[in-house]
Amino acid sequence: KQEVTQIPAALSVPEGENLVLNCSFTDSAIYNLQWFRQDPGKGLTSLLLIQSSQREQTSGRLNASLDKSSGRSTLYIAASQPGDSATYLCAVRPLQGAQKLVFGQGTRLTINP
Amino acid sequence: NAGVTQTPKFQVLKTGQSMTLQCAQDMNHNSMYWYRQDPGMGLRLIYYSASEGTTDKGEVPNGYNVSRLNKREFSLRLESAAPSQTSVYFCASIWEGWSNQPQHFGDGTRLSIL
Repeated sequence: KQEVTQIPAALSVPEGENLVLNCSFTDSAIYNLQWFRQDPGKGLTSLLLIQSSQREQTSGRLNASLDKSSGRSTLYIAASQPGDSATYLCAVRPLQGAQKLVFGQGTRLTINP
Repeated sequence: NAGVTQTPKFQVLKTGQSMTLQCAQDMNHNSMYWYRQDPGMGLRLIYYSASEGTTDKGEVPNGYNVSRLNKREFSLRLESAAPSQTSVYFCASIWEGWSNQPQHFGDGTRLSIL
């Protein structure tokens, strides 16, 4: 059974710092991996999607990497801003079985001005 | 704006009552999903619909039923609500085709069962 883990559960950093969020998964047979952002009381917004054949994806100040063989992904946020404060969720789409995403429990990020 | 719309946004029920959560998308997506989000548990799939007229169970289907009314709409029904079903419910949709696409989520329905 695929399991996704995100560490740490919460992170607080001063504005302007570069930071890395971690995601690990137990089964390397994945179709893709997605990073989402969730603001309090809101739904999930897709940030980056990495296909299983890719190593990384970039969007603005965000860079996500994927090492399928070791079951790891990282989300790098450059020059963090208070507006980046949110919960970040990692999800994998298994290669086999039901069409679904398996989610980690998220990292709650706080950027302090 | 295009996207996934869920109604209602909030609801309080008494144990044993029934209700239907509504979801509609206007992105011409073929697949739709219902998840629940609980503290410490992450998001878990309840049911999904790969196309109009088909539905399949996810990880936690007990106590729920679904209907894919048409391509746009996918509803989730609680026939006899229980306190364990207190949660935030999210609907999502995606175009399942030849390319990898991200899932799009609604803003959620916050449901409390007393």
